Amino acid sequence: AQSVAQPEDQVNVAEGNPLTVKCTYSVSGNPYLFWYVQYPNRGLQFLLKYITGDNLVKGSYGFEAEFNKSQTSFHLKKPSALVSDSALYFCAVRDRDDKIIFGKGTRLHILP
Amino acid sequence: KAGVTQTPRYLIKTRGQQVTLSCSPISGHRSVSWYQQTPGQGLQFLFEYFSETQRNKGNFPGRFSGRQFSNSRSEMNVSTLELGDSALYLCASTTPGLAGPDTQYFGPGTRLTVL
Repeated sequence: AQSVAQPEDQVNVAEGNPLTVKCTYSVSGNPYLFWYVQYPNRGLQFLLKYITGDNLVKGSYGFEAEFNKSQTSFHLKKPSALVSDSALYFCAVRDRDDKIIFGKGTRLHILP
Repeated sequence: KAGVTQTPRYLIKTRGQQVTLSCSPISGHRSVSWYQQTPGQGLQFLFEYFSETQRNKGNFPGRFSGRQFSNSRSEMNVSTLELGDSALYLCASTTPGLAGPDTQYFGPGTRLTVL
């Protein structure tokens, strides 16, 4: 079955430090992977996606994600965290039925 | 360009009632998807409409239904409401993809509370 796992419910990072939010997936065929962010009382905002090509994908707000086929991972990264990055982050995969499956989400806290 | 709009933003209903939520996609987007977000279950896919046809459906009971109009606006309906239907209902519209799967743009959601 197609699935997405975000192993950490919460990640705490000091402002200015690099951050990583982890995501692993299980799909058959080529994976189509996404990252979304949700701020309080708001809908989801698209950050970036991987379809094919370079393993390092650059997205909005200085975020990037690295696709690793051998480890079936698509971790979200940012070199220097901002307090304003504090939010709920979702990894998602589009399955072969064209449905999007979301991970449970990881709450990112950036500490000033 | 205006974003995805959802109405109403907040709703309070009682068990047994029915509710209709509305979603207007970004202009030019023809695909609309609906999701239910709860603290316990996270984000769950409800259904997707494209050109007035339901293209995909998640694992929800028949009390949950939807439709799409010729102008791409979509509605979802929940009948015989249960307490467990309390959730944030999100609508997303999709941009035509040049290659591969489409990027989804989400509305702010409708917060439904069932008492």
